[in-house]
Amino acid sequence: DGGITQSPKYLFRKEGQNVTLSCEQNLNHDAMYWYRQDPGQGLRLIYYSQIVNDFQKGDIAEGYSVSREKKESFPLTVTSAQKNPTAFYLCASSIGVSSFGGYEQYFGPGTRLTVT
Amino acid sequence: GQQVMQIPQYQHVQEGEDFTTYCNSSTTLSNIQWYKQRPGGHPVFLIQLVKSGEVKKQKRLTFQFGEAKKNSSLHITATQTTDVGTYFCAGLSNYQLIWGAGTKLIIKP
Repeated sequence: DGGITQSPKYLFRKEGQNVTLSCEQNLNHDAMYWYRQDPGQGLRLIYYSQIVNDFQKGDIAEGYSVSREKKESFPLTVTSAQKNPTAFYLCASSIGVSSFGGYEQYFGPGTRLTVT
Repeated sequence: GQQVMQIPQYQHVQEGEDFTTYCNSSTTLSNIQWYKQRPGGHPVFLIQLVKSGEVKKQKRLTFQFGEAKKNSSLHITATQTTDVGTYFCAGLSNYQLIWGAGTKLIIKP
């Protein structure tokens, strides 16, 4: 089955700890994205990558970091510098970067991160 | 900055009633996409509109793109319980994909 996997589904961390969320896709898509969704709100772009070893900041990149060492993988690290990390994190991919060609995005199931 | 306003934030309907959500952009859009997110789930792509005045239908769902390519709507006829969820629009403008905040469709018990 082709798709995007995110793990874990639920993640709990203590304040002050860095945490890495995984995202893997087997759709052979070039572009990958990370979004944050807060209750009752829309999607806010954290980072995106259009090719291996390249990534760009989105609207709310502060306190987050990413890497793109393989086409299939785009992990997100939520650092202790992120002031309000508790949220639902969604990873997505598309054939090309949506902002260049209007490509539809395919989303993973998401990770609910709770930091206390 | 560029914005896509989506209204209403919530809509409560009786099963069988119609539902409509609207997206309005401050700038002209190259295209607009619509996604559906079921409760507890992730967004799923529904459709993309590209041409001015375009209308597309998917069974009970009708999608429209305005003549000026600054607004769009999604209309659901005779809602069913399977329609429950949040509907998002995402408009492409100046190489930015701008997401609306979503409209949550709630079916009254």
